[in-house]
Amino acid sequence: DSGVTQTPKHLITATGQRVTLRCSPRSGDLSVYWYQQSLDQGLQFLIQYYNGEERAKGNILERFSAQQFPDLHSELNLSSLELGDSALYFCASSVSGTSGNTIYFGEGSWLTVV
Amino acid sequence: AQTVTQSQPEMSVQEAETVTLSCTYDTSESDYYLFWYKQPPSRQMILVIRQEAYKQQNATENRFSVNFQKAAKSFSLKISDSQLGDAAMYFCAYSPMEYGNKLVFGAGTILRVKS
Repeated sequence: DSGVTQTPKHLITATGQRVTLRCSPRSGDLSVYWYQQSLDQGLQFLIQYYNGEERAKGNILERFSAQQFPDLHSELNLSSLELGDSALYFCASSVSGTSGNTIYFGEGSWLTVV
Repeated sequence: AQTVTQSQPEMSVQEAETVTLSCTYDTSESDYYLFWYKQPPSRQMILVIRQEAYKQQNATENRFSVNFQKAAKSFSLKISDSQLGDAAMYFCAYSPMEYGNKLVFGAGTILRVKS
């Protein structure tokens, strides 16, 4: 158990819909990350927050948005869902947001778009 | 852009034997970090080992060790005394020295352990 908690674990939704994935980082960690794992694109970095502020951005679609709240939990919002958005979405956290800081992953949220 | 290549889609090893998983990366930077993560069937991503590029000494964690060849941009993982619980997908990851702390992952290598 990494200490990173993600909900829901599984989610099935229809195309065009909007979903929110939630993440609680490890106790004491200030930085949160979101990654997407899909069959065709592998593991991709989406976005990083540090203490409520966006720190780095990766291949995150405009239909997707994220935020980190004052209590440090984070949410990833996915809207206008397409079949290709079906993937395992990981949240991860680290103590600081600086390069090389060890990143610990949650168990992921499985999203299926039908 | 930095890229990570794992040229072995799948590897097999007999229980108690040694196996090496390959990883190469492409970067123009001199300072960075490298990681190996394990993803068992449960899909949890588990950190196996990390290496700082400025350290010449190869990292070791119990039965897991790396062979870090900076000039060749190679970062292989050696698993000694393989156990059934080592069966998983293994990902090599690169982390650049830049603002933020992102990981760039390779495509992964499936490791099968035979009893």
